[in-house]
Amino acid sequence: ETGVTQTPRHLVMGMTNKKSLKCEQHLGHNAMYWYKQSAKKPLELMFVYNFKEQTENNSVPSRFSPECPNSSHLFLHLHTLQPEDSALYLCASSLPGKGGDSGNTIYFGEGSWLTVV
Amino acid sequence: GQSLEQPSEVTAVEGAIVQINCTYQTSGFYGLSWYQQHDGGAPTFLSYNALDGLEETGRFSSFLSRSDSYGYLLLQELQMKDSASYFCAAAPYYNQGGKLIFGQGTELSVKP
Repeated sequence: ETGVTQTPRHLVMGMTNKKSLKCEQHLGHNAMYWYKQSAKKPLELMFVYNFKEQTENNSVPSRFSPECPNSSHLFLHLHTLQPEDSALYLCASSLPGKGGDSGNTIYFGEGSWLTVV
Repeated sequence: GQSLEQPSEVTAVEGAIVQINCTYQTSGFYGLSWYQQHDGGAPTFLSYNALDGLEETGRFSSFLSRSDSYGYLLLQELQMKDSASYFCAAAPYYNQGGKLIFGQGTELSVKP
């Protein structure tokens, strides 16, 4: 148990479907992230939220739409995805960056395995 | 571009010592972290080096040389449960919290 909970753990969706991934953290953090993990590739940062405000969109296609209603919850809305979007989507949280150790330790959820058919 | 290079896989036997190397090329650099991920699990934080030298945490140690853009994770007294993927991650931005650049991961297999 990392303090970051993601649901659903597994999701299969068609290319025309709309679905959402949910993330909740119980660590009192104010920064939240979405990362994508594909086989044999580095984790890719997708979005960063600090104090509910999006501070980074790492050139992510608009078919991925994040939402952060408060510092404890993060969503990733999915619409008209492609088969190449199939991957493990990891949510993470941390203290906002202040330099030094605390800002560079991030806590990941166990991820949502997404398969697009 | 920004990248971190690490070996794709390493195999070792129980009780042995293994070193996983990581070289990085980033536009800025404020520290190197290591994460462990078991199959089906969340990546979990192992260690962080902001300064040159060795950081020791139990059986695991991590080393950084900023002048060489190089670091390593050292695992001692290997156990079967250490079989996992290990990722190095660089913090290229100051005051940017968890905005990390990850390596592709090293899959460690520990044999009896």
